[in-house]
Amino acid sequence: EAEVAQSPRYKITEKSQAVAFWCDPISGHATLYWYRQILGQGPELLVQFQDESVVDDSQLPKDRFSAERLKGVDSTLKIQPAELGDSAMYLCASSLKTGGHVYEQYFGPGTRLTVT
Amino acid sequence: AQSVTQPDIHITVSEGASLELRCNYSYGATPYLFWYVQSPGQGLQLLLKYFSGDTLVQGIKGFEAEFKRSQSSFNLRKPSVHWSDAAEYFCAVGATGRRALTFGSGTRLQVQP
Repeated sequence: EAEVAQSPRYKITEKSQAVAFWCDPISGHATLYWYRQILGQGPELLVQFQDESVVDDSQLPKDRFSAERLKGVDSTLKIQPAELGDSAMYLCASSLKTGGHVYEQYFGPGTRLTVT
Repeated sequence: AQSVTQPDIHITVSEGASLELRCNYSYGATPYLFWYVQSPGQGLQLLLKYFSGDTLVQGIKGFEAEFKRSQSSFNLRKPSVHWSDAAEYFCAVGATGRRALTFGSGTRLQVQP
């Protein structure tokens, strides 16, 4: 069964350092999402890609966060510099190209970030 | 904008007992509704979804959910809970035009032997 891959699974970094997360969506899924999940809460969207284009980054803290999906396949989410409040689970999800329809999203295992 | 409320933060049931997790949504049109389950330290797994048609939907692991438009609810049920069902459950709503999902804050299920 096809799965969304993420790495690393766990990351501990000091504040003010840079950190990057990688996601490989299910083959054929044109839409890719990055969510942040703070402990005890539901996931919240950071950025959404359709192929290589960003379609929603309204909740992405652009002063420190960046995301790219250069070839429309895998994606990288970067934080620089990391702050204590960035400690969370970062989840990647993918879905079929929607064309206005809503399809179910498939989630990867996540990256647990701890900023010290 | 859509929103989801899961009124129960934490529920404890005995193994073999029935389960109902509540979900209320706010959205102006017909919603796309989902239930996901998350084990500790893991990603989210889709349990079931409602897009249209029959308001009672069946999912994996013996779960079902019923869409009630009049109550703006999409409650998750299971007739007999197993210890392996202990996890966090999230209700989510999607909308055409904004394909990302809006999640509730989750309900943590604990199963007593």
